[in-house]
Amino acid sequence: QQQVKQSPQSLIVQKGGISIINCAYENTAFDYFPWYQQFPGKGPALLIAIRPDVSEKKEGRFTISFNKSAKQFSLHIMDSQPGDSATYFCAASIKGGGADGLTFGKGTHLIIQP
Amino acid sequence: DTGVSQDPRHKITKRGQNVTFRCDPISEHNRLYWYRQTLGQGPEFLTYFQNEAQLEKSRLLSDRFSAERPKGSFSTLEIQRTEQGDSAMYLCASSSSSDQPQHFGDGTRLSIL
Repeated sequence: QQQVKQSPQSLIVQKGGISIINCAYENTAFDYFPWYQQFPGKGPALLIAIRPDVSEKKEGRFTISFNKSAKQFSLHIMDSQPGDSATYFCAASIKGGGADGLTFGKGTHLIIQP
Repeated sequence: DTGVSQDPRHKITKRGQNVTFRCDPISEHNRLYWYRQTLGQGPEFLTYFQNEAQLEKSRLLSDRFSAERPKGSFSTLEIQRTEQGDSAMYLCASSSSSDQPQHFGDGTRLSIL
């Protein structure tokens, strides 16, 4: 049973455009939702994270939008750059970010065309 | 750089052999996690330590897998009698508390011949 569903599987965006990746979860006990960026041969690196008490969080060009009633959250990358080309994973956990294992989506392979 | 360190970065072994991986967490991080990532998939949680205590195991962690963190610092993950299906990237992560995010190492890629 996949508890976090991520879409699209792959995404091509022109430089300067907005990249949008969506995730949906099933377990209403999840209370921490991070996004990770992974380059080939590297481990996932934390980008930004949100808790369900807020509907949006912005850090630089990265924004998480969170819809608790729909059990969905999304990552928006503004002014996308070729250096943003990577695989992005959404994740979720119970009891905060460190007390439990993270459940990851299957990832989105993002390509930013120059 | 004081990030999570994993060794070796790549391990090639024959089916049936035992392998052991090491993870050194960020200094003073008392929580340590192991994940497995196969090609084209997200990481899957395997097990979690708080200090030296192993507090949670996924059902993915079969009896051929064992993890230790004897002094609450570095951790080892051993796979006995390796099988083709064990080929994957094994990732380690650490965090400083339940309210802090998990930081990942660059993983050990295991290839079973």
